[in-house]
Amino acid sequence: DQQVKQNSPSLSVQEGRISILNCDYTNSMFDYFLWYKKYPAEGPTFLISISSIKDKNEDGRFTVFLNKSAKHLSLHIVPSQPGDSAVYFCAASARGGTSYGKLTFGQGTILTVHP
Amino acid sequence: KAGVTQTPRYLIKTRGQQVTLSCSPISGHRSVSWYQQTPGQGLQFLFEYFSETQRNKGNFPGRFSGRQFSNSRSEMNVSTLELGDSALYLCASSLAADVKETQYFGPGTRLLVL
Repeated sequence: DQQVKQNSPSLSVQEGRISILNCDYTNSMFDYFLWYKKYPAEGPTFLISISSIKDKNEDGRFTVFLNKSAKHLSLHIVPSQPGDSAVYFCAASARGGTSYGKLTFGQGTILTVHP
Repeated sequence: KAGVTQTPRYLIKTRGQQVTLSCSPISGHRSVSWYQQTPGQGLQFLFEYFSETQRNKGNFPGRFSGRQFSNSRSEMNVSTLELGDSALYLCASSLAADVKETQYFGPGTRLLVL
């Protein structure tokens, strides 16, 4: 059962425009969410995170929005650059001792930014 | 600060063999988590170690094991390799007093089982 879902396998955006990547979750115990960027044959690179007590977090061109009632989060990249082209993973961790060190990942969205 | 390092980066083994992968966390980080990435299953949690103790384990068979040393370096071992164990194995480290902590990943070890 997939507790974190990224329903769009791919997204194509023009350079300079906004990229919006979406993620849905089902586990109400999740209370910390992260976005990672990944290139093939490399490890994921941390981009931005958000705690469940917030609904928005910004870091430069990256903003993450969390809608707890809808169990939905999104990553906005503005403006998009060709170097942003990669696979983006949404991940979540749950509260509780049995969740130590465990991130649950979505399947990823391939972002392509065209010059 | 140096990032998470993993050795070896690439490995080819045959069915039935065993393999040991190594991970050195970011200096000062005491938690190490291991993940398996495959095209079909995505990124799946294997286990987590903190202060030489396994605190959490994912849904993998007992052929997958790990340990952590006093300097926080970690190893994972896969015994009796199967074709389906071919994957990218990633480790991640965090300070880890809390579940609400960011994990930082290494470059991974690509394992091919023939």
